[in-house]
Order: sequence, then C-alpha cells, then structure tokens
Amino acid sequence: ETGVTQTPRHLVMGMTNKKSLKCEQHLGHNAMYWYKQSAKKPLELMFVYNFKEQTENNSVPSRFSPECPNSSHLFLHLHTLQPEDSALYLCASSQGYRDSYQETQYFGPGTRLLVL
Amino acid sequence: QKEVEQNSGPLSVPEGAIASLNCTYSDRGSQSFFWYRQYSGKSPELIMFIYSNGDKEDGRFTAQLNKASQYVSLLIRDSQPSDSATYLCAVRMDSSYKLIFGSGTRLLVRP
Repeated sequence: ETGVTQTPRHLVMGMTNKKSLKCEQHLGHNAMYWYKQSAKKPLELMFVYNFKEQTENNSVPSRFSPECPNSSHLFLHLHTLQPEDSALYLCASSQGYRDSYQETQYFGPGTRLLVL
Repeated sequence: QKEVEQNSGPLSVPEGAIASLNCTYSDRGSQSFFWYRQYSGKSPELIMFIYSNGDKEDGRFTAQLNKASQYVSLLIRDSQPSDSATYLCAVRMDSSYKLIFGSGTRLLVRP
C-alpha cells in the first residue's frame, strides 16, 4: 500500500452516464495528479493540483472534469464518455515542492474504466 | 517535444542473471529520474530515483545516470521470476511537477 487509495477499482459505464472517480491520499502530500493509461501507450498526465489549485491541464476533453476540495482528496467527474476513453485511470500524489530533486510521485491502485 | 525512450522488449533473462534496462531522454533540463515497476493490471510502484551522475544502489537494484549522454539505466542483480514486469522510466524537468514517462520495457525472468 502506498497511502493512495482509489475508488471504485472497476467501473463500467454507458456513454450517457455520469460517474465520478475518487482518490484519497494519507501521506500529507500537497500535490495530486490524474493520469490515463491506455493499452500500448505511455502514461498520460491529465491534471495536476497543488495546494488545491489546478496547475496543469494537458488539453483534456471537457467530458473529464476534475475537482480537488482539499489536499487529500481528488475527484474526476465523467460524463458522456466515448469508448476510446476506456483505460486505467491512475491517481498519484507528491509533496508538491517542484524545486526539490526528491519530489516523488506515488500512485494509487487505479480505476479500470470500461465505456460501452 | 520532450521524450523518454525505452526499448519495449520483452527482455528475457534467466533466473539469477543481471537484467539491464535502459532509458534515454531528450531534455537536458531534466532534473530527476525515476524507475517504476508495473505488474500486469496493477499500478506503477516506485523502485528508486536518482538525480546525481553515477550509480545509486538499493538492494538488488542499481540506477545509473549519465547526464552528458542523457542516459539512465536500471540494473537488477540476481533476477527472480517475481521481477517479471514492465519497468517504466520517468523524467522530471527542472522546476516542474510533471513526470514524462517512457512506454516501458517488459522484463521476463525465466526460471
């Protein structure tokens, strides 16, 4: 266990559904991240939050909507997804000190999403 | 385009051998370098990181960094079948939170 939890672990949804992914970290970190991992592709960074403020949005479609109410919790709200959005969605956290050589990200177990 | 390149493999080694995994990166402003292990269907697990030129050892794992050649490697000594996984190289740029990941090298350790 890395101290980063994600729920649900598996999700099947239709293209018209609305669902949310939840991430919680128990490491006292200040930065949290959403990544997407599709088959045969490198990990793709989606969003970065540091001290609850969004610092990066990597041109992610608006059908993905992140929310970070505090430094310990991160949500990804999903609506009108497409089948090509099926992937493993990973949450990560780090201390949030960008000038530190030891700034290290720790990943949660992921949510396996299937869009039908 | 900042890139991190890894051979996709599979790299097949016999049990007990040394496995050598390699990674090159394109941005000279890269600050820290990470190796993650990912078992099939699981999330990436941090093995170790390095930020100074040279070697860094942790148990059976040694990370090697050569900034002049923009090259980082991971050596696994006494490879075990349980080491069979995909190994992801990740690079963090100076003053950035962002990690750039390679596509990973699949390692297969034969009993």
